[in-house]
Amino acid sequence: EDQVTQSPEALRLQEGESSSLNCSYTVSGLRGLFWYRQDPGKGPEFLFTLYSAGEEKEKERLKATLTKKESFLHITAPKPEDSATYLCAVQAWSGNTPLVFGKGTRLSVIA
Amino acid sequence: DAGVTQSPTHLIKTRGQQVTLRCSPISGHKSVSWYQQVLGQGPQFIFQYYEKEERGRGNFPDRFSARQFPNYSSELNVNALLLGDSALYLCASSPTSGATDTQYFGPGTRLTVL
Repeated sequence: EDQVTQSPEALRLQEGESSSLNCSYTVSGLRGLFWYRQDPGKGPEFLFTLYSAGEEKEKERLKATLTKKESFLHITAPKPEDSATYLCAVQAWSGNTPLVFGKGTRLSVIA
Repeated sequence: DAGVTQSPTHLIKTRGQQVTLRCSPISGHKSVSWYQQVLGQGPQFIFQYYEKEERGRGNFPDRFSARQFPNYSSELNVNALLLGDSALYLCASSPTSGATDTQYFGPGTRLTVL
């Protein structure tokens, strides 16, 4: 069974204090790993897709990396507007498989 | 361009009632997926439809059903509502049913069952 575990569950940072969120996964052949941002009461907003180990993608203060067992979302010099829940999801090669999500990391950035 | 739209935004029902949620995908997208997100959890897959055909079904009871229309919009129906059905229901669209297609989510419908 495909599984995604995200850590920590919650993270509180001071503005400008860089950190990383972790997404560990078990999947029967990774087709893609996805990162989304979700604000309270709203739908997830797409950030990145990673397909193979060693791949990296960046967007503003965010950088996502992928290994064979985990992905990291690095946040450099975060601002209060980066506060949100960050969701990681995987999709397997077998059949027509849906996204399997982790529970998310709730990030709070304090000014 | 408009993103994925969902209606209604909020809904309050009582146990045993039936509910219909609606979703319009991004223009040009032919695949729609439905997810249930309980507070504090990640979204959980319910259905995927492509070209009006069901392409995948998650581990949900038969009380849950869905369909896709010729204009690619979709409806999710839930019968005999239970308290545990209270959740944010998310619709996501993608260009095809291909696994590497990115899924774009709508704002969700918040369902409360009393």
